[in-house]
Amino acid sequence: GENVEQHPSTLSVQEGDSAVIKCTYSDSASNYFPWYKQELGKRPQLIIDIRSNVGEKKDQRIAVTLNKTAKHFSLHITETQPEDSAVYFCAASIRGSARQLTFGSGTQLTVLP
Amino acid sequence: EAQVTQNPRYLITVTGKKLTVTCSQNMNHEYMSWYRQDPGLGLRQIYYSMNVEVTDKGDVPEGYKVSRKEKRNFPLILESPSPNQTSLYFCASSPLPQGAGNTIYFGEGSWLTVV
Repeated sequence: GENVEQHPSTLSVQEGDSAVIKCTYSDSASNYFPWYKQELGKRPQLIIDIRSNVGEKKDQRIAVTLNKTAKHFSLHITETQPEDSAVYFCAASIRGSARQLTFGSGTQLTVLP
Repeated sequence: EAQVTQNPRYLITVTGKKLTVTCSQNMNHEYMSWYRQDPGLGLRQIYYSMNVEVTDKGDVPEGYKVSRKEKRNFPLILESPSPNQTSLYFCASSPLPQGAGNTIYFGEGSWLTVV
């Protein structure tokens, strides 16, 4: 089955700096890659996603890039703010598959004021 | 308002005492699933259901049962809980198989401690 590895497990940045979280996946058939943000004690919230026919997608300060050849994708957050502090999860799945998303292990992002 | 409702939100129980965590969604979604979340492991799927009376194992099904007798409800059953089932549990639903890129709606989570 699919395996998703996520790095780093913890990341601290100064407010205003950029943060990058990287994930690799194992199943070349995976073609949908969402990112979730989870604040302490809350449920995961989808923040951005990308499909395999696209190399990059951006939404304000958040962007995701995908390299299908290398089987890795990354989350980029620019101009970080304290409210960006949370755990971020990447995930991968095969479109149309009955099986669920496979999640990475998570990255604890701390934005220091 | 679209909702996935789990109960209980917090529970401390003892080893071997059967318990059920309920999950209900009001969006008429076909697809429902259960995850557990553990530190350093992310979210792992326990069971999923594609429709009424259709259920299948996820990645970590051992020690759990589910049923889907009605479209809106998908309870998670721990017949004989053990301490290694102490975890944060999320129920989720979506209108199509979740691998199809449709929005997944998560419940608020259920903190379960087995002593």
